[in-house]
Amino acid sequence: LAKTTQPISMDSYEGQEVNITCSHNNIATNDYITWYQQFPSQGPRFIIQGYKTKVTNEVASLFIPADRKSSTLSLPRVSLSDTAVYYCLVASYKGSSASKIIFGSGTRLSIRP
Amino acid sequence: NAGVTQTPKFRVLKTGQSMTLLCAQDMNHEYMYWYRQDPGMGLRLIHYSVGEGTTAKGEVPDGYNVSRLKKQNFLLGLESAAPSQTSVYFCASSPVAGKTDTQYFGPGTRLTVL
Repeated sequence: LAKTTQPISMDSYEGQEVNITCSHNNIATNDYITWYQQFPSQGPRFIIQGYKTKVTNEVASLFIPADRKSSTLSLPRVSLSDTAVYYCLVASYKGSSASKIIFGSGTRLSIRP
Repeated sequence: NAGVTQTPKFRVLKTGQSMTLLCAQDMNHEYMYWYRQDPGMGLRLIHYSVGEGTTAKGEVPDGYNVSRLKKQNFLLGLESAAPSQTSVYFCASSPVAGKTDTQYFGPGTRLTVL
């Protein structure tokens, strides 16, 4: 069961790059790493997912080292609207493995003008 | 295409009362999930379903029951509500094909048990 550890909170300023690191020492071979974003009073929203090395989409980048025991979500040039809670998940999802999905407490990111 | 919808949005119950929360998705997804989120906390998985007619327990299943009679609907029931079940409940669905998965969440149901 891959438990994740993230910083409780982070602060940054508009226009800066923000990197949030997640530790998952017990990640299994079949596990993928997924990041979600949650605004107050809303359900989480998928940001990015990866297995190894680097993944990039229009919103963020995900860096995963070779040992896969950690991952870093990178948000380029953040704005005030990026203020939210960010969750790192590690799971394989298939069949009974879906029962092992754990969101954790997430990282509360605050962006200032 | 409404995505994932939840009914009701808010509900107040007295201890011992029962109720059913409805989740509906129009994306033809196989997997559906029910989570609860307590103030300042992350989401915890209550029950999930890997297809029509199937259900399975998640991390915190006690005090809840679920049913998936139709592929597009996933119902969460509280038979005898307790104050400890005061929370925000989120439903999610995912297509699940192959090894990976992306969950799509509903807007949540805020439940208060007095």
